[in-house]
Amino acid sequence: AQTVTQSQPEMSVQEAETVTLSCTYDTSESDYYLFWYKQPPSRQMILVIRQEAYKQQNATENRFSVNFQKAAKSFSLKISDSQLGDAAMYFCAYKTPRNNDMRFGAGTRLTVKP
Amino acid sequence: SQTIHQWPATLVQPVGSPLSLECTVEGTSNPNLYWYRQAAGRGLQLLFYSVGIGQISSEVPQNLSASRPQDRQFILSSKKLLLSDSGFYLCAWSQGTPYEQYFGPGTRLTVT
Repeated sequence: AQTVTQSQPEMSVQEAETVTLSCTYDTSESDYYLFWYKQPPSRQMILVIRQEAYKQQNATENRFSVNFQKAAKSFSLKISDSQLGDAAMYFCAYKTPRNNDMRFGAGTRLTVKP
Repeated sequence: SQTIHQWPATLVQPVGSPLSLECTVEGTSNPNLYWYRQAAGRGLQLLFYSVGIGQISSEVPQNLSASRPQDRQFILSSKKLLLSDSGFYLCAWSQGTPYEQYFGPGTRLTVT
């Protein structure tokens, strides 16, 4: 079974600093996709970044980047120049074309200190 | 562009009452549709997904049901609510690769 593990229930970062959120997953599939979602206090889930497993290059979206280590089954999210608006729950997610469902981790609550 | 709507935004219902939550998607056709439940401070639990009209797959046995009467409409229902049905319900859609899902604003359900 595919599982997604986020080992950090809570993280905090000083405004303008950099923080890395961890995610590991377990799968026997070779074709899959990984995502990071942000859930602010409004609770609407917002896609932050995605990574295709077949791509070796790490995905980047402005201040957000990932460190994708396929052999280690690790997919961490780095937030640079943290802003107060980055405070939210962050969920790591996994999807394979063979299944219809997306598997989510338990989430990491990020606090940004001014 | 595509948008996804959910209503109501908030709902308080007594135990044993029926439930109907609605989700609609605009700007796309034949999307995959999903219902998730999120307990307070927890991750997402997939309840149902649909790949087409009338095609519903259930992930978790419960007293909830789902229907897809139209291509872009997805409804979550219950005949009799339980206290354990309280939570935050999210609808999502996706379409093809790379399979990311886009979520609606959610419905906060409190069963009293």
